[in-house]
Amino acid sequence: KNEVEQSPQNLTAQEGEFITINCSYSVGISALHWLQQHPGGGIVSLFMLSSGKKKHGRLIATINIQEKHSSLHITASHPRDSAVYICAVSNTGNQFYFGTGTSLTVIP
Amino acid sequence: GAVVSQHPSRVICKSGTSVKIECRSLDFQATTMFWYRQFPKQSLMLMATSNEGSKATYEQGVEKDKFLINHASLTLSTLTVTSAHPEDSSFYICSARDLRWLTDTQYFGPGTRLTVL
Repeated sequence: KNEVEQSPQNLTAQEGEFITINCSYSVGISALHWLQQHPGGGIVSLFMLSSGKKKHGRLIATINIQEKHSSLHITASHPRDSAVYICAVSNTGNQFYFGTGTSLTVIP
Repeated sequence: GAVVSQHPSRVICKSGTSVKIECRSLDFQATTMFWYRQFPKQSLMLMATSNEGSKATYEQGVEKDKFLINHASLTLSTLTVTSAHPEDSSFYICSARDLRWLTDTQYFGPGTRLTVL
């Protein structure tokens, strides 16, 4: 069993739809990260959070420490949001565990 | 935010040659950098932890003589794939650990796609 599980694995949405990607983890963490990987492979760090909620533009990330669960929301989705979204958790030793990613395609 | 660069972004080489990939932290000093490998449609796999001024720590199953890591300065780590073979073709990503401002996070480089013919 993976330490980090994401769902769904693949997601196709119409432009403008509200999107949610879920992440559950089974290890103790100091922080949870949401990463975005574009088709060319480059990775961008979207959020790092250890509690509560963070918002950046149309992206919102939440975490529930008790339930060991996080969600990434995209409001008013756009084709340029098409990418693989990866959930990762880090512990106090800064060791990372990665989810297998959610491949998002937003259709115009 | 902090920026980490990698060079080259893409490299194609012949089997048997060695390839060096550079990872630089552009606006902060990183005593620790990490090297990851990603196979198609799979998640990132940590290969090794690179510590400035000391030997790298390799994950189980990663050949240290095959993947040479040097962290000669606080802003540069290099990964050399020696005697590359087609099975080494992969996407290699580095990250740098940022301990400024009482935070502890990693910033990822854009990755290097290696194709060994």
